Amino acid sequence: AQKITQTQPGMFVQEKEAVTLDCTYDTSDPSYGLFWYKQPSSGEMIFLIYQGSYDQQNATEGRYSLNFQKARKSANLVISASQLGDSAMYFCAMRGGTNAGKSTFGDGTTLTVKP
Amino acid sequence: DAMVIQNPRYQVTQFGKPVTLSCSQTLNHNVMYWYQQKSSQAPKLLFHYYDKDFNNEADTPDNFQSRRPNTSFCFLDIRSPGLGDAAMYLCATSGLAPPGNTQYFGPGTRLTVL
Repeated sequence: AQKITQTQPGMFVQEKEAVTLDCTYDTSDPSYGLFWYKQPSSGEMIFLIYQGSYDQQNATEGRYSLNFQKARKSANLVISASQLGDSAMYFCAMRGGTNAGKSTFGDGTTLTVKP
Repeated sequence: DAMVIQNPRYQVTQFGKPVTLSCSQTLNHNVMYWYQQKSSQAPKLLFHYYDKDFNNEADTPDNFQSRRPNTSFCFLDIRSPGLGDAAMYLCATSGLAPPGNTQYFGPGTRLTVL
């Protein structure tokens, strides 16, 4: 069984500062993928970044980077230079190599960027 | 260009009155998923289609059904909506070969049950 844990229900960050959103996971699959999604108040789930379990390098996409520590089973999202538009709910998710790649989601972290 | 489209964006129905939500995709993805998401909660998978093969989650109520007439379209039917079915319904797609293939989500349909 897969499990995703996001321990921060809510986070605040000052505009232009960096923020880290925590995610830990548990799985028995040898091969898996880790994803972060952003969900603004409009409800759409927006894909941000992906990290494969065998990737040697941490994933980066613009202002987003994923701090992947496989031994600790953590996949934290780092947002640099926060913007007001980054205020949203953020979900960490995992897909295994089996079960048609069904995603397991964490409970989410609500990020509020202060001006 | 929209890749996963959901209609309508907002749906109001009455208690017990059947409702159908639709999802279409331009990605030609093999797999389509339906999720239910209640306020401030994680999305909950209801079922998914792997091509034409339907896969129901064990805890999905019988009240929820789905149809996939072709690769591009997938429908969610709620036969007798209850007040507890008010939620955001998210459709997602992905190609084969997990785990690397990203799930792409539509904008969601927010269902209100009166």
